[in-house]
Amino acid sequence: GAVVSQHPSWVICKSGTSVKIECRSLDFQATTMFWYRQFPKQSLMLMATSNEGSKATYEQGVEKDKFLINHASLTLSTLTVTSAHPEDSSFYICSASEAGGEETQYFGPGTRLLVL
Amino acid sequence: EDQVTQSPEALRLQEGESSSLNCSYTVSGLRGLFWYRQDPGKGPEFLFTLYSAGEEKEKERLKATLTKKESFLHITAPKPEDSATYLCAVQAWGSGGYNKLIFGAGTRLAVHP
Repeated sequence: GAVVSQHPSWVICKSGTSVKIECRSLDFQATTMFWYRQFPKQSLMLMATSNEGSKATYEQGVEKDKFLINHASLTLSTLTVTSAHPEDSSFYICSASEAGGEETQYFGPGTRLLVL
Repeated sequence: EDQVTQSPEALRLQEGESSSLNCSYTVSGLRGLFWYRQDPGKGPEFLFTLYSAGEEKEKERLKATLTKKESFLHITAPKPEDSATYLCAVQAWGSGGYNKLIFGAGTRLAVHP
């Protein structure tokens, strides 16, 4: 149980294009989903928290217009990196916590983004 | 400010050599402390949640303990497949109503045969 998937697992794009990453909870309903980014040999940095049906809450320093988050259902959240630039290259990981369950966050396998 | 510090940064063990990883934290009100394992290029895998001082949890060769200021992840007779980065995270009360986690930098464990 508590499986979270991400798609795609890796993506290469040209500078200036937009990239969408999907995060799905496969066997539970997730009231809240989280988006993190991780640079090599560093820990996870929370970018934003999203609740189903409401606007995402962004961490300080994260541009909401650049990183668009949509949490349209209890099993799906999407992160769109708009007008991506090489400095956006990173490992993006989502997590989800179960509606009405414990506070545990279950993580997806991550998406590696490379912007050329 | 809520903060999580893990030590050591890296640890090299021989197979069968038991050891402990440390996670010290400063948080206004601890809601829960979480341990995760992360393999290279993958997302973190949930291991344990601890809620109150004195609590202990075990899973195979791993045992997590919690005090008011720190948590330990004890690894008994480790095997090479235990090699990974172990992440500690805390969740604080009053974090905007959402269960936001604050992560430490992790301990990179390498177990050699």
